[in-house]
This record gives sequence, C-alpha cells and structure tokens, in this order.
Amino acid sequence: EVQLVESGGGLVQPGGSLRLSCAVSGFSLSGFWTNWVRQAPGKGLEWVANIKQDGSETNYVDSVRGRFTISRDNAKNSLYLQMSSLRAEDTAVYYCARDWDLDSWGQGTLVTVSS
Amino acid sequence: DIQMTQSPSSLSASVGDRVTITCRASQGISNHLTWIQQKPGKAPKSLIYAASSLQSGVPSKFSGSGSGTDFTLTISSLQPEDFATYYCQQYNSFPFTFGPGTKVDIK
Repeated sequence: EVQLVESGGGLVQPGGSLRLSCAVSGFSLSGFWTNWVRQAPGKGLEWVANIKQDGSETNYVDSVRGRFTISRDNAKNSLYLQMSSLRAEDTAVYYCARDWDLDSWGQGTLVTVSS
Repeated sequence: DIQMTQSPSSLSASVGDRVTITCRASQGISNHLTWIQQKPGKAPKSLIYAASSLQSGVPSKFSGSGSGTDFTLTISSLQPEDFATYYCQQYNSFPFTFGPGTKVDIK
C-alpha cells in the first residue's frame, strides 16, 4: 500500500525556521517526482514545490522561492521541506504528494506561524 | 502562471443527481489536468489524471473530459460520500496551479 506520512509541523514565530519531513512506504521514492502542496485554513490548495527523482531539478512557487528548500533522501525514502524566514501567510497544512498528477497524498502536517 | 477557474463555485444537489463541474485554463494545457476531491478535515484525493483517466480504485461514476483550455468533471449519480469540494489542477507548466474549488453539498 502506498503511504506518505508528513511530520515536523508546529508553532513557530515569524522569521523562524522549520523542517518538514515526508516518509514514504509502499513504493520507491527514487522513481517519482515529489511535491509539497499547502492549504491555508479555510482556503484552497496551493502547490509549493517539487523535486525530480534524482534531486537534480527543483521548482518553486514564487512566494516561497529563496525561503524554502525542497530536498530528498532516496535511500531513506524521505522528502523534506526546509522552511526559513517564515511569515504568517505560510500558516497552512502542508501535504506531500507523489508525481506530477499528485496521485497519492499524505495526511498533512500543520504549520502555524504566529507570535 | 496559468490561471485555473472553476464553475460553479458551489452547488447543491440531491442523491442520484448527475453533476457536472467545469474547469478552464488561461492557456492551453493539453490534457495535463487532474481532478481532486477533498472531504472536510481530510487529505485531498486524486480522482482523475490526464483529464480523463481514472486513478486506480476510483469508481466509474466519476468521469472527466476535455483538452486544451476547457475541462469537465461529471459524477453520474451523486451518492452521500461524494459531497465534498472538488479542485482541478494543471501540471502542464510550473508553477502547478489549482482551481479555486467547487463545493458540492446536499440539497
């Protein structure tokens, strides 16, 4: 069974940093592009970033470029999102999702940026 | 960036109704479109990819069509478990973008 499990969310002050993780099972991460997608409270879905199978290519939405870094460790079957210079508007549930068509999703982890 | 719009933004329907949701892209995206279902408090779930292909395990009451800029999601006979918000998403070019969602609730 394909599973993606996010962790690492929590409360952080504006300007702070946080690292999210996504552990996958049931498939080999090395075979797929992988994404982070977020959803602010009561709002719609927003694609954040993705990374190629071997990590050689990354893409970001403009609002996080330069502040967030997506990475992966295929040996550990894990995806990461390093978030820095966090703002209130980054408050959201963050999901990891597989492949360009987002065919499988995790359950999400909540990030709250507040003083 | 490619802008995605959906109509209607919400609809009320009865069990057994046929429901159609429309998604439009601001420029051509070939068939690089996914339809996603999200129930309250739950993670999103992909229903359809490549505009018209069902994800594994998704019932055939869901169908998608379209290419280029105009797409539709149809639910042939609405059931209680189908009341949810539906999003379209393009993966033709970066940044990937979502439509604003269509909330389907009970009449």
